[in-house]
Amino acid sequence: QVHLVQSGAEVKKPGSSVKVSCMSSGGTFNSYTISWVRQAPGQGLEWMGKIIPVLSIANYAQRFQGRVTITANTSTSTVYMELSSLRSDDTAVYYCAKGGGRVWLDPWGLGTLVTVSS
Amino acid sequence: EIVLTQSPGTLSLSPGERATLSCRASQRVSSNYLAWYQQKPGQAPRVLMTGASSRATGIPDRFSGSGSGTDFTLTISRLEPEDFAVYYCQQYGSAPPITFGGGTKVEIK
Repeated sequence: QVHLVQSGAEVKKPGSSVKVSCMSSGGTFNSYTISWVRQAPGQGLEWMGKIIPVLSIANYAQRFQGRVTITANTSTSTVYMELSSLRSDDTAVYYCAKGGGRVWLDPWGLGTLVTVSS
Repeated sequence: EIVLTQSPGTLSLSPGERATLSCRASQRVSSNYLAWYQQKPGQAPRVLMTGASSRATGIPDRFSGSGSGTDFTLTISRLEPEDFAVYYCQQYGSAPPITFGGGTKVEIK
């Protein structure tokens, strides 16, 4: 049974970067894909990208290309999502979830609130 | 990119009533790689249905999914109090990106 634990809430200034972590326990970390999904306040779900940790191959949604980097550390079973050049409309809850690439998303982490404010 | 359009935006129903939620894709969803999620306030989404019509583990049988190609439906046969939430469809079959519908809120009438 895979369990995903995310890092804590962050407050960032516009123009800065944030790096959110997602540690996996249970299951075989190298055998699955991890996706990142965000949800702005009161809004829907938006897929940002995914990574296959064992290959360190990441794919990103077009609208985040150049601003998001997803990496993995297989020794600690942790995936990271770094978003740069933050703007106020990047304020959102960021979720990691197992899946993506012809696999549905399950389970999900509890989410990490990132607030971008001057 | 496959765009998913959910309707209605809000569904106002009473406990015990039947809920029918629609998800329409802008192009065919390959191999029915279509999932439905439920999200309650302050919680992460939870998968309900995968492959358009297969219930995820632990999901009660009052939930059912149907459809293929570009038109999909989630039906809740008799609404329980805990079913009032927001529901999202998602396609996961194409090359990136994965896309979500805009959601349907099922609220108590």
